Amino acid sequence: IQLTQSPSLLSASVGDRVTLSCKGSQNINNYLAWYQQKLGEAPKLLIYNTNSLQTGIPSRFSGSGSGTDYTLTISSLQPEDVATYFCYQYNNGFTFGSGTKLEIK
Amino acid sequence: QVQLKESGPGLVQPSQTLSLTCTVSGFSLTSNSVSWVRQPPGKGLEWMGAIWSGGSTDYNSALKSRLSISRDTSKSQVFLKMNSLQTEDTAIYFCTRSSGQLYYVMDAWGQGASVTVSS
Repeated sequence: IQLTQSPSLLSASVGDRVTLSCKGSQNINNYLAWYQQKLGEAPKLLIYNTNSLQTGIPSRFSGSGSGTDYTLTISSLQPEDVATYFCYQYNNGFTFGSGTKLEIK
Repeated sequence: QVQLKESGPGLVQPSQTLSLTCTVSGFSLTSNSVSWVRQPPGKGLEWMGAIWSGGSTDYNSALKSRLSISRDTSKSQVFLKMNSLQTEDTAIYFCTRSSGQLYYVMDAWGQGASVTVSS
């Protein structure tokens, strides 16, 4: 399964509601996770099984979707959210999307 | 406290074999799985393969012919060996953990080992 993330680059203001998209080439059956990677760091798990928030992750992060289309939403963008976000599917093999780089406007 | 730490050579010559070790602490390899994920400079993430808690392995089909993952549970270590390295194998190599209901989701990552393939 190939994952296409959009946009590749997103610029938004602090406090904005931000939506990142991940589209699969086939049905993912909700076996989708989201990772956040800050510059120079290892990725961090944010969301698994489409909408389950990993322990310790702020509630401003949420996930949704079904079938082939999934979304990560940040309800109120904070400066510390600057990072690249990757989606990851584990329904059929294991693949990552190409990432969305999020910056502050 | 769950920790993973990769170790190995930072420089490998083309056509040679890469050997990396992941030393884990804070969890058992017999009840958790370890996957290797790599990231070329400035690029995205690639799942390479995994050794599951029961000891079986799975590999990315694109790497399967060159890749081997094994473990020594008594030493809490997981090993990656990949042969016939080329410049495109230059990357940061991460070892990761999956556990419990997150059987296929990596919830802990090592800091990564930078590997450069160059003569």
